[in-house]
Amino acid sequence: RKEVEQDPGPFNVPEGATVAFNCTYSNSASQSFFWYRQDCRKEPKLLMSVYSSGNEDGRFTAQLNRASQYISLLIRDSKLSDSATYLCVVIPRSMDTGRRALTFGSGTRLQVQP
Amino acid sequence: ETGVTQTPRHLVMGMTNKKSLKCEQHLGHNAMYWYKQSAKKPLELMFVYSLEERVENNSVPSRFSPECPNSSHLFLHLHTLQPEDSALYLCASSKTGTSGGASNTGELFFGEGSRLTVL
Repeated sequence: RKEVEQDPGPFNVPEGATVAFNCTYSNSASQSFFWYRQDCRKEPKLLMSVYSSGNEDGRFTAQLNRASQYISLLIRDSKLSDSATYLCVVIPRSMDTGRRALTFGSGTRLQVQP
Repeated sequence: ETGVTQTPRHLVMGMTNKKSLKCEQHLGHNAMYWYKQSAKKPLELMFVYSLEERVENNSVPSRFSPECPNSSHLFLHLHTLQPEDSALYLCASSKTGTSGGASNTGELFFGEGSRLTVL
């Protein structure tokens, strides 16, 4: 089983739609979770952190479900500019200093259409 | 403009060539990373340097050799690569905790990448 798994998509949605992605992780001791965004032929950039209590940033809501080992990203009122690949990122909990680097999912591609 | 710059942006090399990728960060971070991104695959962590010490080497073939002369610069030396090594190589930096290691807040700052093609 992959450490971090995402549906590659693409998710094709009309402008104004609400869309949600899930990401599952295999290591139950995982410590921290994030969503990154990567535009076509660009580098990934941090979109938002995912807190245990859930968090919201404008049209974006991120949630964590530790029992089922998944995180989610909800985008409301989709804009054309939201078209990108969304990468799920996990930091494992480990006392080994070398293993606290980020683990990326392969990404979910979103295409918002006019 | 990104605080992490990578050169060259594009590189084409033969299997017998020796080349290097360079990364420089201007953010005052103390950890630097090399990731490989191939089509339809997740970002693969290759190397982590924290406080200029290599803290992770993810079973990368020896034809890839990293070098971190100081906290602002990171190199990836390439030698006798294979066509399957063609990919986007991304450098990133972050600020670690005072205890060192590779722990961080989760925010990596990436360079724009070096797209490598091995013929």
